[in-house]
Amino acid sequence: QSALTQPASVSGSPGQSITISCTGTSNDIGGSNYVSWYQQHPGKAPKLMIYDATKRPSGISYRFSGSKSGSTASLTISGLQAEDEANYYCSSYITSNTWVFGGGTKLTVL
Amino acid sequence: EVQLVESGGGLVKPGGSLRLSCAASGLIFNNAWMNWVRQAPGKGLEWVGRIKSKTGGGTTDYAAPVKGRFTISRDDSKNTLYLQMNSLKTEDTAVYYCTTEYDILTAFDYWGQGTLVTVSS
Repeated sequence: QSALTQPASVSGSPGQSITISCTGTSNDIGGSNYVSWYQQHPGKAPKLMIYDATKRPSGISYRFSGSKSGSTASLTISGLQAEDEANYYCSSYITSNTWVFGGGTKLTVL
Repeated sequence: EVQLVESGGGLVKPGGSLRLSCAASGLIFNNAWMNWVRQAPGKGLEWVGRIKSKTGGGTTDYAAPVKGRFTISRDDSKNTLYLQMNSLKTEDTAVYYCTTEYDILTAFDYWGQGTLVTVSS
């Protein structure tokens, strides 16, 4: 199973909005509602930000939102803040009882 | 508060074996589906495998690169998850994270801090 495809990097200025895409196939994102997004700061463990493509766990800012269309999922961060600078990973459940991650996107807040 | 604490990482030669542990607290471990996720230095996240709760069947699933070499097990009496790694390769060098599908059953909601495994001669 190949990794999901994410852009290597995105950037934005404080207060702006950015969107990170995550492209898969009908075997993963296209065939699953179990798409999630994780934030990882350097040297830290990943943190769940979005699950089931669009839902936010308790305690996660409303500035983070997710969407899915066909085999592509997206994470949007609005009102960018300096602390949002991190690596972001998407993940999808696969019908064969396994999971796959995207390659990761480095977000730079200018 | 859910806490996951990995241990057992270290330096091992290619072809060698290592067993990682993950001690869990703050959750009903019996009910948790537990996963291992790894991250090679400077690289992205890679799912390694999962063990379901006993009530969920207790079955295991593995990623293709580790199938047949790695074994996930659990001791519910000790609230501990294990990862037995055999026939280690240099490409297995990574930080290994223990993570759960617990409150949120369709994503990895709690993570440990990770333990580093280095495979090198």
